[in-house]
Parts: sequence; C-alpha cells; structure tokens
Amino acid sequence: DVKVTQSSRYLVKRTGEKVFLECVQDMDHENMFWYRQDPGLGLRLIYFSYDVKMKEKGDIPEGYSVSREKKERFSLILESASTNQTSMYLCASSYRGRTVAIFGPGTRLTVL
Amino acid sequence: KNQVEQSPQSLIILEGKNCTLQCNYTVSPFSNLRWYKQDTGRGPVSLTIMTFSENTKSNGRYTATLDADTKQSSLHITASQLSDSASYICVVSAYGGATNKLIFGTGTLLAVQP
Repeated sequence: DVKVTQSSRYLVKRTGEKVFLECVQDMDHENMFWYRQDPGLGLRLIYFSYDVKMKEKGDIPEGYSVSREKKERFSLILESASTNQTSMYLCASSYRGRTVAIFGPGTRLTVL
Repeated sequence: KNQVEQSPQSLIILEGKNCTLQCNYTVSPFSNLRWYKQDTGRGPVSLTIMTFSENTKSNGRYTATLDADTKQSSLHITASQLSDSASYICVVSAYGGATNKLIFGTGTLLAVQP
C-alpha cells in the first residue's frame, strides 16, 4: 500500500527550539511538498522540491527551511520555533508532471 | 490573482440525504481541478480529478462536475453516510514552472447526523 508517512502525529515544542519534521514517501515520486493548514486559511505551500537537493520557495517560506538529500525523504526545519508556527503541517508527494498529490497524515505542531 | 472559493463554509445534513458543495475559481492557466476529502486529524485524500475537457466524474456516491466556461465546479454526494462527515477541499492546478502550482480552497466542513 503506497503511502506518505510523517515522523510525528503530534509535537509540542518551546519557543526558540529547533524543530525537524520528517516526511518519507515510498512511491518513487519526484515532487515533494510541505504545506501548513490553518483554520479559515486552507492549505498554504511552504516549500517544494522537484528533485534531490532541489528546493523552491512556496507562498510562505519565511521562518522555514527544507532539506532533500534523498529522493524519498523531505525534511522541514523550523530554525527557531515561534508561537505563530503552531499549525497542522502536511507533507505531500507526486510524480513529475502529475498533479495528483498524495498526502501524509499530518503533524500537529504546538509551539508554547 | 489565483483564487479558489468554496461554499458553503459548513453544512449539516441528515444521514441518507443528498448534498452539493460548490467551488468557484479564478486560476490561470488552468490545468485540472480536484476534490479532496479530509477526515479530522488526517491528511487530504483525492476523490476526483478533472481536466479542462471533462465535465463530470464519479467516484462511488461522489460526483464532481466542472464548467470550465463559468469556472465553477460542484461535488454532489448521494445518500450520505455518517462516514462522509469531513472537510471537502477543492484544489485547482495551474500550469507553471518545474511543477504545477496547486491553489487550495478553504474547504467545506460537512457534518452528517443520524
């Protein structure tokens, strides 16, 4: 059963901490995405990657960075977490040229 | 500006009844439109995908329509079940760059009551 997995379902961190969110897909997809989802705002793209070591900024990249060292893994990094980064984070992947993205289960991050 | 608007914001229906969710978009250049179902605390799951030339697509009790002229789509749910309670998100894809850009609506929260 093909899938996208995220390292944690729930995460609680303190302001100023460095936070790593991991995403792994087993479908050999070229494209991988990180979104955050907030009530009333829908899903907003943070970063995406269309190949290993390649990354592109999405709509709201400020305060985030990403890493894609291997094709199956895409990491989202919060260098210094802040309370306004409390949100649901969703990872997704897709084949190049295809836009049917498969989503992971999400990580609900709370920053205190 | 590329935008996707959904209505209603929330909806409550009785089990067994039908309902229709609306999606209006201003996205260019249009590639395709998809409806996702998102259960509470879960990631979205794709229900249907339609390209410019398709005007209807079914997936079980879910039927999506697309009017590319008026830039409107609807998702019709027939004989609703309690498990249909979820958020339904309309996503429009725009051509561009190394990968198409996805524009998300804010979703319609559907509650099916017994």
